[in-house]
Amino acid sequence: QVQLQESGPGLVKPSETLSLTCSVSGGSINSYYWSWIRQPPGKGLEWIGYIYYSGSTNYNPSLKSRVTISVDTSKNQFSLNLSSVTAADTAVYYCARQRIVVAPSARYFDYWGQGTLVTVSS
Amino acid sequence: EIVLTQSPGTLSLSPGERATLSCRASQSVSSSYLAWYQQKPGQAPRLLIYGASTRATGIPDRFSGSGSGTDFTLTISRLEPEDFAVYYCQQYVTSVTFGGGTKVEIK
Repeated sequence: QVQLQESGPGLVKPSETLSLTCSVSGGSINSYYWSWIRQPPGKGLEWIGYIYYSGSTNYNPSLKSRVTISVDTSKNQFSLNLSSVTAADTAVYYCARQRIVVAPSARYFDYWGQGTLVTVSS
Repeated sequence: EIVLTQSPGTLSLSPGERATLSCRASQSVSSSYLAWYQQKPGQAPRLLIYGASTRATGIPDRFSGSGSGTDFTLTISRLEPEDFAVYYCQQYVTSVTFGGGTKVEIK
């Protein structure tokens, strides 16, 4: 059973960089896509971006200028950096495995971490 | 960006009743790229349906999905107490977006 666990600071100051890591256990990070998704308190879900194990990325256009996602296959981890944060970036941040299947064609998120709340405040 | 609009925002029903949730896309979405999730308070979303109509592993058959093009539906045939939650649709054509969610609450 694949398990994902987010880790990182729960409090970040405005204008600084939010950094989170997702550790994958119970399976290899290889051959899959890995995403970050966030959810402001009491609101809906927003996809941030994904990384393929090989390092290729795809970001949400609305966040692209501030987002960097990286992968460390040797540690079975991937990470999120979100720069120049404001209070609007306060949210529960989830990491998830994103399936992009060619045959039969399908695209969805099948495994999720429990989420970690990051608050942006001075 | 493809916008997904879910309706109604809140559905008030009793256990045993049928729930019909709608997800409308601002432009056509291949049914292969449409999924549904259930989220309970304090928990991560859980995959219910992918490919618009395929149940994920372990999902009871009271959950079913249908639709094509711009109109998709999640149906819960008979609500169980554990089904009261928020439901989200999601698409990935060129960029991933989620609908705003439908809350299914106990009447």
